[in-house]
Amino acid sequence: AQKVTQAQTEISVVEKEDVTLDCVYETRDTTYYLFWYKQPPSGELVFLIRRNSFDEQNEISGRYSWNFQKSTSSFNFTITASQVVDSAVYFCALILHGSSNTGKLIFGQGTTLQVKP
Amino acid sequence: GAGVSQSPSNKVTEKGKDVELRCDPISGHTALYWYRQSLGQGLEFLIYFQGNSAPDKSGLPSDRFSAERTGGSVSTLTIQRTQQEDSAVYLCASSLGGRSNQPQHFGDGTRLSIL
Repeated sequence: AQKVTQAQTEISVVEKEDVTLDCVYETRDTTYYLFWYKQPPSGELVFLIRRNSFDEQNEISGRYSWNFQKSTSSFNFTITASQVVDSAVYFCALILHGSSNTGKLIFGQGTTLQVKP
Repeated sequence: GAGVSQSPSNKVTEKGKDVELRCDPISGHTALYWYRQSLGQGLEFLIYFQGNSAPDKSGLPSDRFSAERTGGSVSTLTIQRTQQEDSAVYLCASSLGGRSNQPQHFGDGTRLSIL
């Protein structure tokens, strides 16, 4: 069975601090995709990034960066110099590829990030 | 362009009533998904439509739940004889195809409250 664990339920930081959101996943499949979504108070899930299981290269997009390590089954997300607008619930998700693909995203429980001014 | 549109935004109804939730996917997206988000269960997959293929209904929690997709576009999720445990936010998503590397784009959801 597949599972995504986000151990941090809530994180609170002060603006300009760096923060890392942890994501650990479980699957026996070798081909899969990982995603991060942001859910601001408005409720809409906003796609941030996808990563396939064969690409362990880290990615940076502005203040956001992602660290994918297959050896530890982790896909962590770091926000550098956090801002109040980063306050949201962040979800990590897994989807299988190929014949195992059922189309469904398997989500972690989410991490609520609060950035205080 | 327009994103995924869901209606109504909020729905309050009495226990035992039927409800219909609507989803209008992004134009050109062939895959459509319904998820449910509740406090105790997090985000749960409900059903998946891909083109003209038979839908994957494996996530529907009971036979009171059904969904259809007309003309390969708009989808309606129907809950019959609603129960209080059906209270949740129902999220719809669409993607360019059913391939797993295509990101799913979500609507704002319908917040359903059963009295």
